[in-house]
Amino acid sequence: QQQVKQSPQSLIVQKGGISIINCAYENTAFDYFPWYQQFPGKGPALLIAIRPDVSEKKEGRFTISFNKSAKQFSLHIMDSQPGDSATYFCAAGGSTLGRLYFGRGTQLTVWP
Amino acid sequence: GAVVSQHPSWVICKSGTSVKIECRSLDFQATTMFWYRQFPKQSLMLMATSNEGSKATYEQGVEKDKFLINHASLTLSTLTVTSAHPEDSSFYICSARGTGRTIYFGEGSWLTVV
Repeated sequence: QQQVKQSPQSLIVQKGGISIINCAYENTAFDYFPWYQQFPGKGPALLIAIRPDVSEKKEGRFTISFNKSAKQFSLHIMDSQPGDSATYFCAAGGSTLGRLYFGRGTQLTVWP
Repeated sequence: GAVVSQHPSWVICKSGTSVKIECRSLDFQATTMFWYRQFPKQSLMLMATSNEGSKATYEQGVEKDKFLINHASLTLSTLTVTSAHPEDSSFYICSARGTGRTIYFGEGSWLTVV
């Protein structure tokens, strides 16, 4: 059973546009929600993370929106750039769970 | 952010031999380390979780005798693929967590078994 569901599988955005990736979860034990960015042939790099006590977190062009009641969270990339083209993974974890559960990933392509 | 180093970045080995991949946390003590396998264009598949000084906990379907994991110190974990076969060829990634919740990943290791 997929603990974290991520959509869309792929996303094509024009340079300067907004990229939006959505994730949903069911396990209420999750209390930590990071996003990772992965370039081909490289390991995932932590991009931004949020805890459920806040509804939004912004770091530069990257924003996480969190809806606790709906058990959904999303990543918004403002002013998307070709260098943002990568695969993005959402994940969820909890202090009692130890591990992270990953979504299937979204392949983002930003074209000039 | 914190640095997790993996070595080697890529390795080619002959079928039937064993190969070891190292994962080091360079600037923090990793109480827990995780080993993943990733197939092209797919998500990360957790293989095992290891805590320093304890035996690794393997995910269902992962052969513990084939994928030996050792977490001998707070900064080093190793994955040994024993009697490697071509189907073991993959991208192996480790990650590490310190005292907080943040988990950092290594750069990954490409294994090709010929």
